[in-house]
Amino acid sequence: DTEVTQTPKHLVMGMTNKKSLKCEQHMGHRAMYWYKQKAKKPPELMFVYSYEKLSINESVPSRFSPECPNSSLLNLHLHALQPEDSALYLCASSQHQQGDNNEQFFGPGTRLTVL
Amino acid sequence: AQSVTQPDIHITVSEGASLELRCNYSYGATPYLFWYVQSPGQGLQLLLKYFSGDTLVQGIKGFEAEFKRSQSSFNLRKPSVHWSDAAEYFCAVGDHSGYSTLTFGKGTMLLVSP
Repeated sequence: DTEVTQTPKHLVMGMTNKKSLKCEQHMGHRAMYWYKQKAKKPPELMFVYSYEKLSINESVPSRFSPECPNSSLLNLHLHALQPEDSALYLCASSQHQQGDNNEQFFGPGTRLTVL
Repeated sequence: AQSVTQPDIHITVSEGASLELRCNYSYGATPYLFWYVQSPGQGLQLLLKYFSGDTLVQGIKGFEAEFKRSQSSFNLRKPSVHWSDAAEYFCAVGDHSGYSTLTFGKGTMLLVSP
């Protein structure tokens, strides 16, 4: 299985809602990533987990809260988002966080709309 | 800090014609280099990668790229473009000196005309 899956595909939420994005991989990868991608822009790194520990937080607002319950799962909890947070949220995984042959495999993304 | 420049925002190529997408990087040592493709509303798919060794790298879907250290370039090529190749293409550099994060270029949108 060489796939990263993400659910849901689409999410519409109000600014007072709490929701979660889910990402799963079964490739035995030990590094997992959250990216945010606005239209016609490249992905921007948000968080990196390495061996289930948060290793990079790119100064992301606290209304985004990542969680890595185990080596296969990565969640992104959303609370009190703003309309400007509407974007495509991409999850990725790689074998490790450092070293050779370390390409990242991306999921299809969750299209988030905040009303 | 590392950076990637993709000088062409859009490129239009006739179906069956050859393609070259440009990528220039800035990095202090030998970089890890990647090309990803993204169809509208989809995730990123890895086309090919360069870590070391042979500077001409073959990828999926008939794509290849050549690493030229003297020009700090990693241009993507395909000899004959198909309509299904229309998509956004991102060049990225990986930092292997510490944590392995990717820095993406701004992307090049490929349009394929009949």
